[in-house]
Amino acid sequence: AQSVTQLDSHVSVSEGTPVLLRCNYSSSYSPSLFWYVQHPNKGLQLLLKYTSAATLVKGINGFEAEFKKSETSFHLTKPSAHMSDAAEYFCVVSDWGKLIFGQGTELSVKP
Amino acid sequence: EAGVAQSPRYKIIEKRQSVAFWCNPISGHATLYWYQQILGQGPKLLIQFQNNGVVDDSQLPKDRFSAERLKGVDSTLKIQPAKLEDSAVYLCASFPKGGQDTDTQYFGPGTRLTVL
Repeated sequence: AQSVTQLDSHVSVSEGTPVLLRCNYSSSYSPSLFWYVQHPNKGLQLLLKYTSAATLVKGINGFEAEFKKSETSFHLTKPSAHMSDAAEYFCVVSDWGKLIFGQGTELSVKP
Repeated sequence: EAGVAQSPRYKIIEKRQSVAFWCNPISGHATLYWYQQILGQGPKLLIQFQNNGVVDDSQLPKDRFSAERLKGVDSTLKIQPAKLEDSAVYLCASFPKGGQDTDTQYFGPGTRLTVL
């Protein structure tokens, strides 16, 4: 069965410093992986997706993620955090169209 | 294009009452999903429709939850009777075609249900 594990429930960074949100996946075949963001009282928004093309995936708002098969990881990064990045982030694996979400990582950004 | 619409945005009910949520997917999207997101957790799939047929409802508590998608467009999710543990955000998502991992699911804003 497909699954994802987000290794941190909460990450706090200062504005202008790098962001790293960690995700490991488990899959019996080459997975499709996504990162979604959820701002308070807003819907889920797709940040980026990996679909077996390039292993380094660029998304919106300066985020990117690297698929590492040897480490079964799909970590999300951003070089410089902005206050508006504060939100809940979900690592997601697709199981034939059904999305399986991780528990989420809450990102706080300090001024 | 217009996004996924959901209503109401918020609902507060007493336990044992019934409640219904409505979802209008993006025009032309054949696949529709309902997810339940309990506070502090990631969304969990409740039911998946392809057009007006159910593809997967294995996670739907069928003793109290029901869902339909008449005419393959709008969908309603009902809870009867509600329990305290049903307090959650109910998210609707749609998908341009079924079973393709590379396509993106589009989410509505959700309905936040509080059961007292």
